[in-house]
Formats: sequence, structure tokens, C-alpha cells
Amino acid sequence: DIVMTQSPDSLAVSLGERATINCKSSQSVLYSSTIKNYLAWYQKKPGQPPKLLIYWASSRESGVPDRFSGSGSGTDFTLTISNLQAEDVAVYYCQQYYSTPPMYTFGQGTKLEIK
Amino acid sequence: QLQLQESGPGLVKPSETLSLTCTVSGGSIGSSGYYWGWIRQPPGKGLEWIGSIYYTGSTDNNPSLKSRGTISVDTSKNQFSLKLNSVTAADTAVYYCARHRVGARVFDYWGQGTLVTVSS
Repeated sequence: DIVMTQSPDSLAVSLGERATINCKSSQSVLYSSTIKNYLAWYQKKPGQPPKLLIYWASSRESGVPDRFSGSGSGTDFTLTISNLQAEDVAVYYCQQYYSTPPMYTFGQGTKLEIK
Repeated sequence: QLQLQESGPGLVKPSETLSLTCTVSGGSIGSSGYYWGWIRQPPGKGLEWIGSIYYTGSTDNNPSLKSRGTISVDTSKNQFSLKLNSVTAADTAVYYCARHRVGARVFDYWGQGTLVTVSS
């Protein structure tokens, strides 16, 4: 199985500042034939289901504010939240969808709070 | 707007079978291009994919569940279901149903989730 490891486990950032969350996969999730990274990011708030933010490592889902951006390739990825807002307080998860046969795995989550 | 809603018992006894149904509204479960899946989150822990099904009945399952899980689809009712047998306390979790795309296999629509507790 591809193991996804996020860092840090938690972080506190001031309103208006930038938050950076990292995700590392145990093997590359870059598919050579499509030149796409099979990596997604989700936001989860208490009592709500996860919300898809980013797929293909850097493609923003429709309706997601542009202060959310994804980057990285191969095994190392980053979710950046610029101009942090109070409503961004949540746990963030990365997910790989590279495995064949399908075996979707998530990172352990990163809890984002306001400083 | 696509909506998914989980239903089923909130309490299951150890060694018995957990059964949940997801009802899809606002769209057809028979649409090509989408799988329908189950994901769970134990209290205080992360997300775990359980398995997914295509409207044709083709399934993918998480091997870590050691074949305890079975996913089925009923296109006439626009529903899909999960059965997890021989449950233990470790199966206590919030269970979500979700849609994922065939291309980018990401979960783009989710149910609200239902807490299932395994306890005698």
C-alpha cells in the first residue's frame, strides 16, 4: 500500500497569514503516461463530511476559493492556504488515487487552528 | 444538486453484520463515469476507504478488511449498500458514502455520515 504521511500534525497560523501543509507518499504517485500526480486534498470540519479542494495535485475543485493551492510532484506535495480566514479552521487530508488495483489511502490529517 | 444519505442501525453487536444503505438523489447512480464508495472514520482517527462499486456491479475493496465487506448496488432504487460482517469494536466509526470519478478517482460528493457503534 502507498502510505501517505502529512506534516505537521497540527499548526496554528494568524489570520491573514499563509498556512502550509505537507504530504509525502511512500512511492511516487506521478503516472508517467499521463504526466499527472494522482493526489488530492480535502478539508474536514467537525460534524461535516470531507470537502474536496484539490485534485491532480494542483487543480482546484469548482467553487473552492483561489487562496487554496496545491503543488508538488512525485512523492512530495504541499497545500498552501493564503490569507487565512477563520472559516479555514479544519483538518486537512491528502489522498492518493494512484494505486492499481484501486487502494485509496489518506494521510493522517493536519489540524489547522488560528493563532 | 446531487445528494447522498446514509441510513442504517447506529448500534451493532460484536460478531454481527453492519448494514448501511446510501440513497442518491438529484442524479442517477447509473451514470457512467462515476463510482460509488464507502469511507469510514473511527473516533479521533483518520479516513479509511472501504470499497467502491460501479453501477454495473463491479467492485473494488480495501484488502485490509480481509473480505469482510460487501458492496452492492440497486439501480432501480438509486441506492448502494455496505455489509460488513464479524464486526468488532474497531469497526466503530462514522461511515460516509461518497461519489468518485472514474478519471480522477477523488470523492467529490459525500453523505453527511452516520455513526455506527459496535457494542454489546
